Amino acid sequence: DSGVTQTPKHLITATGQRVTLRCSPRSGDLSVYWYQQSLDQGLQFLIQYYNGEERAKGNILERFSAQQFPDLHSELNLSSLELGDSALYFCASSVSTSVEGIYNEQFFGPGTRLTVL
Amino acid sequence: GQQVMQIPQYQHVQEGEDFTTYCNSSTTLSNIQWYKQRPGGHPVFLIQLVKSGEVKKQKRLTFQFGEAKKNSSLHITATQTTDVGTYFCAGQRGGGGNKLTFGTGTQLKVEL
Repeated sequence: DSGVTQTPKHLITATGQRVTLRCSPRSGDLSVYWYQQSLDQGLQFLIQYYNGEERAKGNILERFSAQQFPDLHSELNLSSLELGDSALYFCASSVSTSVEGIYNEQFFGPGTRLTVL
Repeated sequence: GQQVMQIPQYQHVQEGEDFTTYCNSSTTLSNIQWYKQRPGGHPVFLIQLVKSGEVKKQKRLTFQFGEAKKNSSLHITATQTTDVGTYFCAGQRGGGGNKLTFGTGTQLKVEL
C-alpha cells in the first residue's frame, strides 16, 4: 500500500459525459501528479500540482482539468468524453523536489479505470 | 520535446536467464528513476540515479547511469517469476524543475 488513495476504482460512462476522479496523497506529500495509461501504453504525464498551485503541465487535453484543494487532495475532471479517453488514470504523490530541484520518488495510487462506451 | 525510449518493448526469458532493459533520452538528464509495474498493479519506485556513470545494486538488480547522462540500463541476474512486470525509466531533464518523462517501458515475462 503506497498510502495514495484514488476513487472510484472503476468508472463506466458514455461519450459526451463528464467525470471527476479523486486522489488523496500520502500524508505530508505536497505534490500530486496525474498520469494516463492507455492499454499497453506507457505513462503519459498530464499535470502536477504543488501545495495547491499548478507546477507542471504535460500533454493534457483542454477537455481535462485538475485542481488541488487546501487539504491537498486533488481532482481530475474529464469532460466531453470520447472513446479514446478510456484508460487507467493514476495519481501519484511526492514530497516534490529536493533542494537541488531534483524530483523525489513518486508514490502511485491504485488507479481509476475509466471506460467510455 | 524530451523523449525517453526503452528497448526492448517486450522480453520473454526462461527463469534463471538474465535480462537487460535500456533507456535512452533525447536530452541530457539530471537524474533518472526506475519503476516496476506488476500486471494489474501500479508503478512502484525502484531507484534513482543522479551521478554520471553511477552504478547501484539491489540484490539481483543492477542499475547504471551513462557517463553522458543520456542513457541508463537495468540488468536483472537470474530472473525469477516474481520479476514479471513492466519496467519504466523516468528521466528529468537537466536544469531541474522539469517534469519527469516516463519511458515507453519494457514488459518482462518469465517462463518456468
